[in-house]
Amino acid sequence: GQNIDQPTEMTATEGAIVQINCTYQTSGFNGLFWYQQHAGEAPTFLSYNVLDGLEEKGRFSSFLSRSKGYSYLLLKELQMKDSASYLCAVRTGGSYIPTFGRGTSLIVHP
Amino acid sequence: ETGVTQTPRHLVMGMTNKKSLKCEQHLGHNAMYWYKQSAKKPLELMFVYSLEERVENNSVPSRFSPECPNSSHLFLHLHTLQPEDSALYLCASSRGLAENTGELFFGEGSRLTVL
Repeated sequence: GQNIDQPTEMTATEGAIVQINCTYQTSGFNGLFWYQQHAGEAPTFLSYNVLDGLEEKGRFSSFLSRSKGYSYLLLKELQMKDSASYLCAVRTGGSYIPTFGRGTSLIVHP
Repeated sequence: ETGVTQTPRHLVMGMTNKKSLKCEQHLGHNAMYWYKQSAKKPLELMFVYSLEERVENNSVPSRFSPECPNSSHLFLHLHTLQPEDSALYLCASSRGLAENTGELFFGEGSRLTVL
């Protein structure tokens, strides 16, 4: 099976930078996803990492270290609208279907 | 607007009722999924269909019965549910099962309350 761990809740200040960590234990790793879910809305895709390193996409970046079973999502220049739940999901080659962590609820305050 | 539409958005039912959740995707995708989202728990995969064939049934009780009549539509038939089945039921689609990024496109969910 897969064990995916991420913090339950984080708070940060508007304009700041926040890093949301995700650790996992799995066999046959085949990619890691980050999704954003605002309250009452559908989860939406943010990023996909399958090779080690940093993927940057505007204010959001995602990092992966396969040897450490570790990823983080970095959010820069935080805005109030970034308050949401951030879901880490891991895919294994055998299944192709991602397994989700519990999600990290991020609260951005003025 | 993700291209995946779920109805109804809210449903309240008694334990003896029979109801259905509907999902429709307008993205031309070949794979469709049902997930259950409960408070404080990870998204739980329930069923996966690829090209209208069920490829995964994640030990879901038989009181949940999926149906995929074509690649654009997915149903979840509900009968004799329990209060602990109250949750947000999310439908998702993807281009295919073994695609490179395998990005999932989610609907906004059907909030189910079982009394």
